[in-house]
Amino acid sequence: QKEVEQNSGPLSVPEGAIASLNCTYSDRGSQSFFWYRQYSGKSPELIMSIYSNGDKEDGRFTAQLNKASQYVSLLIRDSQPSDSATYLCAVNRGASGGSYIPTFGRGTSLIVHP
Amino acid sequence: EAGVTQFPSHSVIEKGQTVTLRCDPISGHDNLYWYRRVMGKEIKFLLHFVKESKQDESGMPNNRFLAERTGGTYSTLKVQPAELEDSGVYFCASSRRGGANEKLFFGSGTQLSVL
Repeated sequence: QKEVEQNSGPLSVPEGAIASLNCTYSDRGSQSFFWYRQYSGKSPELIMSIYSNGDKEDGRFTAQLNKASQYVSLLIRDSQPSDSATYLCAVNRGASGGSYIPTFGRGTSLIVHP
Repeated sequence: EAGVTQFPSHSVIEKGQTVTLRCDPISGHDNLYWYRRVMGKEIKFLLHFVKESKQDESGMPNNRFLAERTGGTYSTLKVQPAELEDSGVYFCASSRRGGANEKLFFGSGTQLSVL
């Protein structure tokens, strides 16, 4: 079982719709969860982080966390063509010496069409 | 503040040759990570430095890969000899303290093609 699983997509939504991106993780002890966005040929950049069960909203983005189900999601409201990118779910796993290693899923490709 | 810089941005080499990738993290970031993305697969962890020390190198595929971070500043990742399966995008990332809630800052990656 992969540590972080995402549907690779592509997920295609019309402009203005809600895009829903999902991620599951295997380590029940994970505490920190991140969504990165990666445009084609560019580096990943952080868009949301979440640490507690429930919802966290930031502008058009909402991250949702359910630790009991080991499930993280990202909702993008009023999707725009500029949101078209690959969305990477990352989960911090504890490592040696008290450090943390962000572990990534393969990413979901989102296409927002006009 | 300058971001994480990597070079070269692209490298095309033949099987059996040696390639050295370089990463300059953000100034003051003690934590430096190397990741690799093979086409169609996830971004896979290779290793983690805290300052000049290798904290975790559990993701290094084999002994053809050697990473260094002399003086705790920039890092190099050398592949010798390169094999076809080493092709992919190598990302470097850094963070200040490496805590549980800390985000990573990524470089733009080195696209390595081994022919």
